[in-house]
Amino acid sequence: DAGITQSPRHKVTETGTPVTLRCHQTENHRYMYWYRQDPGHGLRLIHYSYGVKDTDKGEVSDGYSVSRSKTEDFLLTLESATSSQTSVYFCAISEPETGVYGYTFGSGTRLTVV
Amino acid sequence: AQSVSQHNHHVILSEAASLELGCNYSYGGTVNLFWYVQYPGQHLQLLLKYFSGDPLVKGIKGFEAEFIKSKFSFNLRKPSVQWSDTAEYFCAVTNDYKLSFGAGTTVTVRA
Repeated sequence: DAGITQSPRHKVTETGTPVTLRCHQTENHRYMYWYRQDPGHGLRLIHYSYGVKDTDKGEVSDGYSVSRSKTEDFLLTLESATSSQTSVYFCAISEPETGVYGYTFGSGTRLTVV
Repeated sequence: AQSVSQHNHHVILSEAASLELGCNYSYGGTVNLFWYVQYPGQHLQLLLKYFSGDPLVKGIKGFEAEFIKSKFSFNLRKPSVQWSDTAEYFCAVTNDYKLSFGAGTTVTVRA
């Protein structure tokens, strides 16, 4: 979707290596989210941010960390990748305060841990 | 923690058939409700959303959903599906600015 981009789109990495995924928005939305999508589980929230340097855990946060040093960027880091983290990762943005209460999703990053 | 349940894992239909996908949520407070669609190989797109007001919500591509507060339900409907409606459909509920998803329903429409 316009205004939100994820990079890389695809990545293959080895078990035990660190990996960082990037989400960049041009909408100046306050809230940003990282989800993972796995068959039979829908999308599950990993971490989210409600402002610069303000982050909190979601339901599946173990093994992941995030950082938000600028409004437009939200980074997801796998400190030491495991095969169970093979998934499709989606970033989303939201801005409830202005009344535009909806979520826009990025195109996703397909991560394979071998 | 709230949860979202989608009743059907996989639905197979013929073109022109009617579609109804069930969604129930567990949270009892004020919620906002969404249906998203994901076409093969693509990201999620918003079909429709409910915040307040008329419980019958109309979305894009001929979809509609009805919010029944007493049943904690937000079922999605389309009177006549097309082959291009083949996709995965996700119900989602938000509270406290976080969106929780159901496991999804795969809809296959046969020509």
